[in-house]
Amino acid sequence: QQQVKQSPQSLIVQKGGISIINCAYENTAFDYFPWYQQFPGKGPALLIAIRPDVSEKKEGRFTISFNKSAKQFSLHIMDSQPGDSATYFCAASSDQAGTALIFGKGTTLSVSS
Amino acid sequence: GAGVSQSPSNKVTEKGKDVELRCDPISGHTALYWYRQSLGQGLEFLIYFQGNSAPDKSGLPSDRFSAERTGGSVSTLTIQRTQQEDSAVYLCASSLQEYQPQHFGDGTRLSIL
Repeated sequence: QQQVKQSPQSLIVQKGGISIINCAYENTAFDYFPWYQQFPGKGPALLIAIRPDVSEKKEGRFTISFNKSAKQFSLHIMDSQPGDSATYFCAASSDQAGTALIFGKGTTLSVSS
Repeated sequence: GAGVSQSPSNKVTEKGKDVELRCDPISGHTALYWYRQSLGQGLEFLIYFQGNSAPDKSGLPSDRFSAERTGGSVSTLTIQRTQQEDSAVYLCASSLQEYQPQHFGDGTRLSIL
């Protein structure tokens, strides 16, 4: 059973547009939700993270929206740039069940210029 | 260096051989994680070390996999009698303490012939 479901698998956005990636989780014990960005040949880099006590967190052009009742969270990239072209992973973990991250399958974002 | 360092960056070996992968975490980070990234399975947790506590080995796929962490710093992941399905990128991450953001190295790309 996939505990974190991520969609879409791939996404093409025009430069300046908004990129939206969605994730849904099963385990209500999850209490930490990070997003990672990965470029080819590199390891995942932490982009932004949220805990369930807030519904939104913004850092620059990146925003996480969190809906606890729906068990969903999403990443919005405003004013998308070609340099944002990468694979994005959502993840979740529970302080109660150990700190290992459970990852979504990833979304490959391509921003066209 | 400032980040998580992994070596070798690439490893090609024959089926049945043993391999050792090394991870040097960020200085001062007490928690260390190993993950595996493959096309079919995405990013999967393997094992977690925190200080002097017994490691969480719940993600190791078989008894051919083992890991140790010496002196609370460098970690080695060993795969014995490698199989073709072990081909993947092996990623190491560290965090300042338990329940803190995880920072990844660039991984070791393992290819089993």
